[in-house]
Amino acid sequence: AQSVSQHNHHVILSEAASLELGCNYSYGGTVNLFWYVQYPGQHLQLLLKYFSGDPLVKGIKGFEAEFIKSKFSFNLRKPSVQWSDTAEYFCAVNGGSGNTGKLIFGQGTTLQVKP
Amino acid sequence: NAGVTQTPKFQVLKTGQSMTLQCAQDMNHNSMYWYRQDPGMGLRLIYYSASEGTTDKGEVPNGYNVSRLNKREFSLRLESAAPSQTSVYFCASSEAGQRGTEAFFGQGTRLTVV
Repeated sequence: AQSVSQHNHHVILSEAASLELGCNYSYGGTVNLFWYVQYPGQHLQLLLKYFSGDPLVKGIKGFEAEFIKSKFSFNLRKPSVQWSDTAEYFCAVNGGSGNTGKLIFGQGTTLQVKP
Repeated sequence: NAGVTQTPKFQVLKTGQSMTLQCAQDMNHNSMYWYRQDPGMGLRLIYYSASEGTTDKGEVPNGYNVSRLNKREFSLRLESAAPSQTSVYFCASSEAGQRGTEAFFGQGTRLTVV
């Protein structure tokens, strides 16, 4: 069955700490991978995406993610978090070209950054 | 550029009442989606419309109906609301079928059924 699993449900960090959020997926065929962020009270916004090429992708606000095909993983990283990064983070996947665009989401990770 | 617009933002219903959530996008996307967000469960697809005139069930369609009114608008209807439908509902659109295109989300509707 197609699924996405996020390892960490709730992460608490101090400002300037490094962040890594785990994401593993189960999906047949080629994939498009996404990380979305939801700031308190707001809608989901795209942080970054991977669909082909360099497996290390850079997104907005200093975030990056690495696609490791052999591990079915797409972990999100940031070298130094800020208080403003407090939000919920979702990993999502859908199929390659010709897909319907339906997204399968992970459970989400709530990140709390202490000033 | 408005993107994806949902109305209403908040709603409280009594069990058994009906309501329609409205969604419109101005990005000329072919595909539109309705998701619900529940704590600890991420977002789950209720229904989607790959193109104007077509709709299909997602993961959790029971208790809902949808209408793709035209290319811009995709509404979600609860015919007889139940407490289990208390959730935050998100509409999204995308240019599906092209590799790597992302979905754009509306602001969400927070629905409480009492």
